[in-house]
Amino acid sequence: SQKIEQNSEALNIQEGKTATLTCNYTNYSPAYLQWYRQDPGRGPVFLLLIRENEKEKRKERLKVTFDTTLKQSLFHITASQPADSATYLCALGGVSGGSYIPTFGRGTSLIVHP
Amino acid sequence: DAMVIQNPRYQVTQFGKPVTLSCSQTLNHNVMYWYQQKSSQAPKLLFHYYDKDFNNEADTPDNFQSRRPNTSFCFLDIRSPGLGDAAMYLCATSRPIAGDEQFFGPGTRLTVL
Repeated sequence: SQKIEQNSEALNIQEGKTATLTCNYTNYSPAYLQWYRQDPGRGPVFLLLIRENEKEKRKERLKVTFDTTLKQSLFHITASQPADSATYLCALGGVSGGSYIPTFGRGTSLIVHP
Repeated sequence: DAMVIQNPRYQVTQFGKPVTLSCSQTLNHNVMYWYQQKSSQAPKLLFHYYDKDFNNEADTPDNFQSRRPNTSFCFLDIRSPGLGDAAMYLCATSRPIAGDEQFFGPGTRLTVL
């Protein structure tokens, strides 16, 4: 069955460092991958989209890579700040019917220490 | 500002007592979704509407129903809540375009006593 894996352990880093979060998937050939940010008790907020034919996307301090051979996406936050502390979820969408509906991972908690 | 609104933010109900959660949107999106999210878990899609067309996920319990009377509003009915239904319920909207972002509401935290 399709599986999306995000590290369940929180990532703790110091302010100013680069945070790198991982999203791995199996039994899936997604046409696109999205990253969302979720703060405690709130709904997820969309950050970035990367499609299967793209290797890398950037937006301000954020960078996403997508390796369809490794079946992995990496999400980087450079010059991290305490305000970046949140849970980050990846979501994958396929090419079959209903392809506008992504499947979410459980997310990884990021804690940036001042 | 265009947005997705959920009411109430917190809902307490008793075991077996029906409850309705509401969602409204000002984005005029065709697609509306209901997700269930338990602590430290992925949002789980319960169902979605493409306009008036209702799409139920295969593993969504019959205890959960939904209504979409118009483009702007969508309701989640839990007919007989059990303790296992305590969760955050998230409403989201999007356009029916692959890769298009989903806009989420703030969620309703449901407690079942």
